[in-house]
Amino acid sequence: EAGVAQSPRYKIIEKRQSVAFWCNPISGHATLYWYQQILGQGPKLLIQFQNNGVVDDSQLPKDRFSAERLKGVDSTLKIQPAKLEDSAVYLCASRRPGSFTGELFFGEGSRLTVL
Amino acid sequence: TQLLEQSPQFLSIQEGENLTVYCNSSSVFSSLQWYRQEPGEGPVLLVTVVTGGEVKKLKRLTFQFGDARKDSSLHITAAQPGDTGLYLCAGSGNEKLTFGTGTRLTIIP
Repeated sequence: EAGVAQSPRYKIIEKRQSVAFWCNPISGHATLYWYQQILGQGPKLLIQFQNNGVVDDSQLPKDRFSAERLKGVDSTLKIQPAKLEDSAVYLCASRRPGSFTGELFFGEGSRLTVL
Repeated sequence: TQLLEQSPQFLSIQEGENLTVYCNSSSVFSSLQWYRQEPGEGPVLLVTVVTGGEVKKLKRLTFQFGDARKDSSLHITAAQPGDTGLYLCAGSGNEKLTFGTGTRLTIIP
């Protein structure tokens, strides 16, 4: 089966500009996650979707970050306006339905550099 | 917020040596996973442990879940250059998965 697809792989922007990342999870995976990973650190959860509903967005900086999963399949994460500290890899992951202890399948990530 | 601290943060050892990575928390988890991440890629699952005191072996890797389900360890025997990577523990609880701080392992040939 095809893996989790993310785009773009790399993005360089200046601070205060906006950026959007796209994720297409594995077919049939109801749960979708967006993580932020600062270089060398563990991933930090930004938002978790179950189908098209938000399960957890407690760590999402809502003044500048937004995410949607309108049809319960692919998802978009947007940052507007970007700050220097947003430089990170944004990882998308998905999980099989009904499996909260199951494996997370990750995409290759989108590396953002904010200048 | 559940926190998972990993130690050491960085580890560089010679090929053939043994090593242990620790993952500690003050929170109880229903299960714990270990992932390995290589540069430019997403994390890949190595193992899931669900029972306190559980030990799982994956070739030269041995994973243990603490009796109280608050901590875990990963032991690698006779490390090889292919073991190089970022090792991440991740705890499940309250329908959430929290990742640890990570251990960057470098095996020197």
